[in-house]
Amino acid sequence: DIQMTQSPSSLSASVGDRVTITCRASQSISSYLNWYQQKPGKAPKLLIYAASSLQSGVPSRFSGSGSGTDFTLTISSLQPEDFATYYCQQSYSTPGFGPGTKVDIK
Amino acid sequence: QVQLVQSGAEVKKPGASVKVSCKASGYTFTSYGISWVRQAPGQGLEWMGWISAYNGNTNYAQKLQGRVTMTTDTSTSTAYMELRSLRSDDTAVYYCARELSVGASYYFDYWGQGTLVTVSS
Repeated sequence: DIQMTQSPSSLSASVGDRVTITCRASQSISSYLNWYQQKPGKAPKLLIYAASSLQSGVPSRFSGSGSGTDFTLTISSLQPEDFATYYCQQSYSTPGFGPGTKVDIK
Repeated sequence: QVQLVQSGAEVKKPGASVKVSCKASGYTFTSYGISWVRQAPGQGLEWMGWISAYNGNTNYAQKLQGRVTMTTDTSTSTAYMELRSLRSDDTAVYYCARELSVGASYYFDYWGQGTLVTVSS
């Protein structure tokens, strides 16, 4: 199975900050990497698919990059509604999620 | 609009079974697969398996093989997930999610609201 790791596991940031979350796969997964946002008590929401494609309706301050084993999710200017937990998910083989990165208010 | 509406919360005893439903609307049910993902309290997301709503083909997570069965009823656009021989560590919120395939890639673009299954004696 392909193992997914994320760093950091949590971070504190302020509104307006630029935030970067990293996801690493245990083997090359090409660009088969998706990102989700989850708020407490809610279902996950798709943000980015195929490493860098923005899902319809998702604000353009979210962007994704990377290929192979290393990927990043960037929030260019953090907004109050962005405080949440973010998960990466590989779709190269049997689906697997990263452990998540919690973004909270500094 | 696309909606996935799941059945309500369940409380089960260890060793029992649970069957969760996921009713789809707003799209052609048989054109997409459905995956099931669970989340234990305070934990991350765990993929459980997938079913094709087109032909019923399934693919289950290895750790759940033999305990989980996923089915669909195309007449009602409903997907089902049954988990047997429940244990306390099966306590989780269970989500269904529509799987969209684009070329060789796929992702989960719509999710149900989640169903809390509590396993307790």
